[in-house]
Formats: sequence, structure tokens, C-alpha cells
Amino acid sequence: DTGVSQDPRHKITKRGQNVTFRCDPISEHNRLYWYRQTLGQGPEFLTYFQNEAQLEKSRLLSDRFSAERPKGSFSTLEIQRTEQGDSAMYLCASSPLEPLAGANVLTFGAGSRLTVL
Amino acid sequence: AQKVTQAQTEISVVEKEDVTLDCVYETRDTTYYLFWYKQPPSGELVFLIRRNSFDEQNEISGRYSWNFQKSTSSFNFTITASQVVDSAVYFCALSEGNTGKLIFGQGTTLQVKP
Repeated sequence: DTGVSQDPRHKITKRGQNVTFRCDPISEHNRLYWYRQTLGQGPEFLTYFQNEAQLEKSRLLSDRFSAERPKGSFSTLEIQRTEQGDSAMYLCASSPLEPLAGANVLTFGAGSRLTVL
Repeated sequence: AQKVTQAQTEISVVEKEDVTLDCVYETRDTTYYLFWYKQPPSGELVFLIRRNSFDEQNEISGRYSWNFQKSTSSFNFTITASQVVDSAVYFCALSEGNTGKLIFGQGTTLQVKP
């Protein structure tokens, strides 16, 4: 297995444009998470899926953000009408579904860095 | 609310020195898990250790060791005989309930100089 893949690795866009990031998790992992990381900060939770169901969204996820995992495999994170404040690293992680979910070890991808000009 | 605090923003040491990274957490859960991740310059977070709230034994893995003290809500990480390759940002994290999602601290940037 090649781990968690994210694409693109870097995206530069102008304010007001839409962007979409893709995440391919480890194939046997049921859970998929999106995080956002700004410079000098720890990753902040955005949303997560169990199979194709989106189970939780952070209040950080404004209505300009939407995430999908249509077949329970890959996921996309779309940001509409980007703002400069959206500039960050967007991290995807996946994990198996363990009996005690809190024990999940998340495997992270390398991230997609967004720069909004 | 759950929270993780890493008070040390940056630490700089000379190679072969020992260094301890501090982590303090807050949670109302009785069962929880704590984690440490390493983020090298390449950017990908790498899992180092997971510890559950019922196991307070210290753990050692090579040059790495972890000290979990429930009484002080701390989960500190020590690197013995540091090496330049240890230079990275280190994050402590707490799992939240049954979601499996992690609450991260702000991270500690460790610079090991030759």
C-alpha cells in the first residue's frame, strides 16, 4: 500500500476562485479525516467520514467548504469563492475502524498547500 | 472542552544532548488516548506513539521515551542523545470520544544542531 495520497500538493489561486483537493486513503481504512494546518499551528479538525457517511463537521467548515466521499473510497474537499484566509495546508488522514474508536491511529498524507492571492 | 497545550514553541539543542518536550492535556473523558506525531520538513505527520489512559507505564523505544502522568495530566516526550535527524516539529494529540478525531497541541519545533 502506498499510504494516503493527496492531490495536488500545491495550489495557487486567485481570491474568489474555487479549488478542489482529492484524498485517496489507505484502501482498507473506513474512516477519513480532513484537517487544516496554518503556519506555526497544529492541525485543526475540519470533518470526517465513516465509509461514505459524513459524521461530523467542525464549525471551522463554513458554507463555502464542502467535502464528499461518494463511494466510501476517495474524498474531495472543495472550497468555493476562496479568501486569503483560506491559505493553509489541508491534510487528509485515514484510519481503520477499531472497536474503541479513540484508539484509532491516523495515517496522514503529505498535504495539499493552498495559497490564495 | 478538550485541550492540548505544548508550552514550548521552539527548542534548540546541540547534537547528543537529551531533550524533553512537554505536553499537558485537558479532558473530561475517563477513557482516552494520547499520541505523539512528528512532522519533519517534508510536512507529512508521522505517528510515534499511542498511549491509553489506563496505562501509566513509561515507554521506551530506542532513543525515545515517554512519561505519562495522569495526576498532572501530562504526557512528556524525551529524546536521548539527540541527532540532527530529530529536527522536526513534534505534536502531542488527544483523541476525542468515539470519533477517533485528534485534538492537537500547537507543536514544538526542535532544532538539533551538529
